[in-house]
Amino acid sequence: EAGVAQSPRYKIIEKRQSVAFWCNPISGHATLYWYQQILGQGPKLLIQFQNNGVVDDSQLPKDRFSAERLKGVDSTLKIQPAKLEDSAVYLCASSFYTGELFFGEGSRLTVL
Amino acid sequence: GENVEQHPSTLSVQEGDSAVIKCTYSDSASNYFPWYKQELGKRPQLIIDIRSNVGEKKDQRIAVTLNKTAKHFSLHITETQPEDSAVYFCAAKRRGSQGNLIFGKGTKLSVKP
Repeated sequence: EAGVAQSPRYKIIEKRQSVAFWCNPISGHATLYWYQQILGQGPKLLIQFQNNGVVDDSQLPKDRFSAERLKGVDSTLKIQPAKLEDSAVYLCASSFYTGELFFGEGSRLTVL
Repeated sequence: GENVEQHPSTLSVQEGDSAVIKCTYSDSASNYFPWYKQELGKRPQLIIDIRSNVGEKKDQRIAVTLNKTAKHFSLHITETQPEDSAVYFCAAKRRGSQGNLIFGKGTKLSVKP
């Protein structure tokens, strides 16, 4: 069974530039999550989608972060403009409704 | 909202000893408590989970206990091996699709041969 796919794996940008991350969940998984994991900390939820609708985006910094899940499958997370404190691993996860979360390998962002 | 506290932040044990990691949660509506293992540079992977209708669950060398009254749950690893070395995260989630998974800050477990 194919897992959660994410790209790119690594990205280095200057502050104030923009970046986009892509996620393809496991086939059939209705729920998709984006988490931010800063080094040495636990994953922090940014946004949760159920199909193509947003369930929870209360911790998404909406002045600079945006996410969409068109057609209820793939999702993109965008940061514009990036700040130094956005350096982190961005983890995408999916689940079949409320079951176990399966994580992708993550996209490591370094903002210089 | 939910808040999950995890202790200790680091744990070092000798191979063959047991390791215990403890978590507390704040939201009494939480009913699903998974544990994830994350090796360096890898994705978090589920190792065991427990739902609020049971007090204990075991899978070979790992077990999880849940005390709903006290709102805490623990991970127990027996006969530790060097390959158990990793960061372990507990998490808590509310019932239903509206609930999202809130993670603790993690415990770095080192098993010395």
